[in-house]
Amino acid sequence: DTGVSQNPRHKITKRGQNVTFRCDPISEHNRLYWYRQTLGQGPEFLTYFQNEAQLEKSRLLSDRFSAERPKGSFSTLEIQRTEQGDSAMYLCASSTDRGAQETQYFGPGTRLLVL
Amino acid sequence: GENVEQHPSTLSVQEGDSAVIKCTYSDSASNYFPWYKQELGKRPQLIIDIRSNVGEKKDQRIAVTLNKTAKHFSLHITETQPEDSAVYFCAASRASGGSYIPTFGRGTSLIVHP
Repeated sequence: DTGVSQNPRHKITKRGQNVTFRCDPISEHNRLYWYRQTLGQGPEFLTYFQNEAQLEKSRLLSDRFSAERPKGSFSTLEIQRTEQGDSAMYLCASSTDRGAQETQYFGPGTRLLVL
Repeated sequence: GENVEQHPSTLSVQEGDSAVIKCTYSDSASNYFPWYKQELGKRPQLIIDIRSNVGEKKDQRIAVTLNKTAKHFSLHITETQPEDSAVYFCAASRASGGSYIPTFGRGTSLIVHP
């Protein structure tokens, strides 16, 4: 499968714990995005990277959230001191800056449940 | 920031009928408008997109129209089939660092009855 992959697919944690999610983009894609999706809503933009540089962060991204893409390939999203309101699907997407392509290809998501 | 309104939230049609989903946006800086289809438990997938310098785009049974002046855009699906049943999301995107950052609508659940 050469699409975007995410791990784990499901995560259950207790409030106050830290969690980390991983995203592997399509191999030739240099842009990587993180979104959060709650039930009945569209995806909400959190942050994006071009190569290893984090170019934009949403104000939705509180200080408890941090994302990295150290080598410009896979990315991790960490949530510290989780809260019940963090329960959501976390989606990753990737795209390329080659040509006129704007299409973002989404991964299957990581579903987080905070108890 | 951008605000995208999407209607209806649920749309039920008979197989073979047409379906229309409408979105409005608030930020005149938005200039790229993708539509995504999300089947239950699956990832969103792009089905069609349109740039702000184009008024209409068609791909087989799917078409999108854009009215920049009124800040609204619509998805049209003709000859609907049961496999078209899914949640459809519109998005209005602004440029950022060479990429586009979308603001999504809340989605329309399309149900096509055989």
